[in-house]
Amino acid sequence: EPEVTQTPSHQVTQMGQEVILRCVPISNHLYFYWYRQILGQKVEFLVSFYNNEISEKSEIFDDQFSVERPDGSNFTLKIRSTKLEDSAMYFCASSIVAGGKETQYFGPGTRLLVL
Amino acid sequence: GENVEQHPSTLSVQEGDSAVIKCTYSDSASNYFPWYKQELGKGPQLIIDIRSNVGEKKDQRIAVTLNKTAKHFSLHITETQPEDSAVYFCAAEDTGRRALTFGSGTRLQVQP
Repeated sequence: EPEVTQTPSHQVTQMGQEVILRCVPISNHLYFYWYRQILGQKVEFLVSFYNNEISEKSEIFDDQFSVERPDGSNFTLKIRSTKLEDSAMYFCASSIVAGGKETQYFGPGTRLLVL
Repeated sequence: GENVEQHPSTLSVQEGDSAVIKCTYSDSASNYFPWYKQELGKGPQLIIDIRSNVGEKKDQRIAVTLNKTAKHFSLHITETQPEDSAVYFCAAEDTGRRALTFGSGTRLQVQP
């Protein structure tokens, strides 16, 4: 069964450094998402992406964040200058709309720790 | 925007018993309500979902019910097994945008 994959599984970085989290969505999916989950808290929506541009973004997704689909398979989240509060699990998701219905499938996540 | 409340935060049942997790949502226009299971160190896995044109959906030991008037939906797991132990999240799709709003999660522990 096709799956969303993410790399790396864990990332440790120093405050102020840039990080890039990578995702490979399910191959025939057209909509891509990033969510994050701070330890012990809810999963929170960050951004959605379709047709090579951002569709929606939350208030969390400020100028420090950017997303890109650099080729036909990868979808990346960049955090330009990490802060301690960016420490969280970051999940990529992808979806396809079929018969007017959409279902999002999540990857295993990247655990980001900012020191 | 949408707000989703989930109860209980933890639930412990004996193997073979049923488990029920309840969620309420705030946006009456929401139409899609998935449930995800998250095992330790893994991403949320979709286990069942329901759309607003039906009141109940079943898949083997798992069922979801939806009451649009009261704006609540519930997950029912029958004949629980130890492998059902995980954190379960309900979610509702934000109307007008492609985003899910999640509940705070329920940690289900099935005691053998």
